Amino acid sequence: EVQLLESGGGLVQPGGCLRLSCAASGLTFSSHGMIWARQAPGKGLQWVSIITGNGDTTWYADSVKGRFTISRDNSKNTLYLQMNSLRVEDTATYYCLNDPNWADHWWGQGTLVTVSS
Amino acid sequence: DVVMTQSPFSLPVTLGQPASISCRSSQSLVYSDGNTFLHWFQQRPGQSPRRLIYQVSNRDSGVPDRFSGSGSGTDFTLKISRVEAEDVGVYYCVQATHWPLTFGGGTKVEIK
Repeated sequence: EVQLLESGGGLVQPGGCLRLSCAASGLTFSSHGMIWARQAPGKGLQWVSIITGNGDTTWYADSVKGRFTISRDNSKNTLYLQMNSLRVEDTATYYCLNDPNWADHWWGQGTLVTVSS
Repeated sequence: DVVMTQSPFSLPVTLGQPASISCRSSQSLVYSDGNTFLHWFQQRPGQSPRRLIYQVSNRDSGVPDRFSGSGSGTDFTLKISRVEAEDVGVYYCVQATHWPLTFGGGTKVEIK
């Protein structure tokens, strides 16, 4: 059974930082492009960052560019999102998911990030 | 980025009646290999999203056959033939032909 398990969320003050992790199991992790998406309370889904299977290429939403860094460690089957200079508007549940163009597709359960003073 | 526009925003439906959601993209979603990477996701209240339909019209494993997807180019539709109580939630179209992928704004399906 495939599992994507996010962790690292919590309450942080504006300007602070957090590092999210997504531990993957049951899949050939290095074969999958991975995505961080987020959902602010009561709002729709927004992609945040994307990384290819080998980690060579990344994309960032304009709203997080220069503040967030996506990375992966394929030896540990883990995806990361380093979030710096956090803003109130970054408050959301953050999900990891694999590239939806694959025949098999999964989402994690999400981790809540709250940015508040 | 490709803009995905869904309608309606809210869809009240009577149990057992059909429902239809429209999704339009700002540019063609046909990839150079001929495939169209337009997918539909369902998010039930309090749950993570899950994919229902991939590449326009293919149902994911375990998805009831009352769900169907159709369309081409820039216009796509998700249909529920007979809405059941468990179908309540928000539905999103997602394009992954042009990276980065982009989400539609969502359609909230509720029971009248």
